Amino acid sequence: EIVMTQSPATLSVSPGERATLSCRASQSVSSNLAWYQQKPGQAPRLLIYSASARATGIPARFSGSGSGTEFTLTISSLQSEDFAVYYCQQYNNWPPSITFGQGTRLEIK
Amino acid sequence: QVQLVESGGGVVQPGRSLRLSCAASGFTFSSYTLHWVRQAPGKGLEWVSFISYDGSNKYYADSVKGRFTISRDNSKNTLYLQLNSLRAEDTAVYYCARARSGGSNYCDAFDIWGQGTMVTVSS
Repeated sequence: EIVMTQSPATLSVSPGERATLSCRASQSVSSNLAWYQQKPGQAPRLLIYSASARATGIPARFSGSGSGTEFTLTISSLQSEDFAVYYCQQYNNWPPSITFGQGTRLEIK
Repeated sequence: QVQLVESGGGVVQPGRSLRLSCAASGFTFSSYTLHWVRQAPGKGLEWVSFISYDGSNKYYADSVKGRFTISRDNSKNTLYLQLNSLRAEDTAVYYCARARSGGSNYCDAFDIWGQGTMVTVSS
């Protein structure tokens, strides 16, 4: 099983500043990497797929990068609505494999 | 609009069964692989199972293999998850989710999620 490790577990950032979240895979997942945002009591929302493609309706301040085993989600200028938990997910079509990271909580500093 | 709506959750005793449903609308249901993902209280996301667009391929996480069964009825635009031999560790919110690109891309990012249904396994 591919293990996804996110860091840090909690990130404290002030509104307007940049946030950088990391995700590492235990083996190469190529660019089969997605990022999700989850707020309390809500379902996750897709932000980024294929490591760097923004999902429909996602603001440009969200960007993803990386390939292989190292990935980054960057939020360029934090808005109040961005404080949430973020998950990375790897997906491989064959053999079928899907695993999530343990999440990074982004909190207001 | 495009949406998934889960139902069927509840409180059940260990060893008992439950069937979850996920009703879809706003898209061509029969063209997409669908997944179940769960989240235990205060914990992260765990993938559970998927079924291909035509129902011919099904996969399960090791933690539920042999106990859970995924199915779909494309004539009713509905996804199901039969949960048998339930354990306390199955307690979670269960989400259905759509694989983004459709067709034979079974494993993909999940672009549409339901609101979730809570399953509590307790005596």
